[in-house]
Amino acid sequence: GAGVSQTPSNKVTEKGKYVELRCDPISGHTALYWYRQSLGQGPEFLIYFQGTGAADDSGLPNDRFFAVRPEGSVSTLKIQRTERGDSAVYLCASSSPGSGEETQYFGPGTRLLVL
Amino acid sequence: KQEVTQIPAALSVPEGENLVLNCSFTDSAIYNLQWFRQDPGKGLTSLLLIQSSQREQTSGRLNASLDKSSGRSTLYIAASQPGDSATYLCAVGTGNTPLVFGKGTRLSVIA
Repeated sequence: GAGVSQTPSNKVTEKGKYVELRCDPISGHTALYWYRQSLGQGPEFLIYFQGTGAADDSGLPNDRFFAVRPEGSVSTLKIQRTERGDSAVYLCASSSPGSGEETQYFGPGTRLLVL
Repeated sequence: KQEVTQIPAALSVPEGENLVLNCSFTDSAIYNLQWFRQDPGKGLTSLLLIQSSQREQTSGRLNASLDKSSGRSTLYIAASQPGDSATYLCAVGTGNTPLVFGKGTRLSVIA
């Protein structure tokens, strides 16, 4: 089936604006993860959903960041009052641990540039 | 707090060489370890996943080993090819939790 998809692939915005990043996980995957990757670094965890609820949001850097997954499938990462330091690649991954599929499958990412 | 380190940060080898990428982690209480490949400007592709109870996994020319007690994993690439050029990332997981990544090893295979 289809892999993890993310939209938009690129987003340029101005400092102070609001942005939404979308993730479509692999169909049937119950776990969904958001990571952020800065240049030359490995991905860093932001938030993890099991079903509709956020099981762990300890990686969100501050209260400008928020994510939802209302129906347990698609997830949206929302960033308010963007800052230049938010520029990074935002990666989404999904897995199905309850089915024994622990491998996390990643989407292509959304490249966010805040001017 | 789990920390993952990958050495070397960059590696350049001639085509056909066998090579080893290293990964170490500070907390041995892991559930699994995953190796990924990332091409420039792209997302991550999973290469191998090793459960904490396993010692190694193989896929084609790739072999990953895990020594949980010493906090180390290696990724062995046999008969390297220019198409293997990419950044290789190691990540450890503790159950159904987010992965903790290293910074990666940037590999260049020269034809």
